Amino acid sequence: GAGVSQSPRYKVAKRGQDVALRCDPISGHVSLFWYQQALGQGPEFLTYFQNEAQLDKSGLPSDRFFAERPEGSVSTLKIQRTQQEDSAVYLCASSLEGSALSAPQHFGDGTRLSIL
Amino acid sequence: EDQVTQSPEALRLQEGESSSLNCSYTVSGLRGLFWYRQDPGKGPEFLFTLYSAGEEKEKERLKATLTKKESFLHITAPKPEDSATYLCAVQAGSNTGKLIFGQGTTLQVKP
Repeated sequence: GAGVSQSPRYKVAKRGQDVALRCDPISGHVSLFWYQQALGQGPEFLTYFQNEAQLDKSGLPSDRFFAERPEGSVSTLKIQRTQQEDSAVYLCASSLEGSALSAPQHFGDGTRLSIL
Repeated sequence: EDQVTQSPEALRLQEGESSSLNCSYTVSGLRGLFWYRQDPGKGPEFLFTLYSAGEEKEKERLKATLTKKESFLHITAPKPEDSATYLCAVQAGSNTGKLIFGQGTTLQVKP
C-alpha cells in the first residue's frame, strides 16, 4: 500500500513569505505527527494530531507555525513570515493507533525548506 | 528532562566486520524505544520497537537489545547496503506519543 506522502519535496522561499507543506498519511492511520530535522541532527517533534484534534503542539517553535488536519486525514503545516532559521527538512509521520499504544510511526520523505 | 544520546556519531566498518551502536536514554516512564534507519534524502524507516528491559529483536543482520538505561543495535557481518544513519528514539509514558530522537549514528560499510 501507499506510504506517507509529502509535498512539495523541495520548497525555496524568500524571507518573509508564507509557506504551506502538505502531508497525506497512510489511509486509516489515526495519529499524525510533524517533526523538524536540521542537517546532521535527529528529528525534533513539532505537533501531534489524533484524528482532527490537535492534542499536542508543544514543539512548535513560535506562533508563526500553524498546523491543521480538518477532516482527520490530510494535514497542512503552515509557516508565516518565514525566517532563515526555519530552513530544515519537515517530516510527517502517521501511526495506526492513538497515543494509548506504542504503534510505530511511519515517515514520509519530507519537505526540504530553504529560506533565502 | 527526557533525553537520548547515541554513540559513536560516525562508524566506518569493513564489509563483514561486526560492531554495535549505542543508544543511552533517560526518560520518565519508558513506553517504547524505537530504532530507525535513514538513507540520504529519505525519511526514517522503521526497524524495531522494544518495550522492556531484556527484550531483543532481530531482522536479517540487525539485532536490537534493551536495558533500563540503554539500547544496542548489533550489526553482524555488515554489507555495503547497510550504510545509512541509524536513529534511536524513545516514547515516554507521560506524553502524547511524540518520539524523542538521538542525533543518530552514521554507518559506512566499505567493500
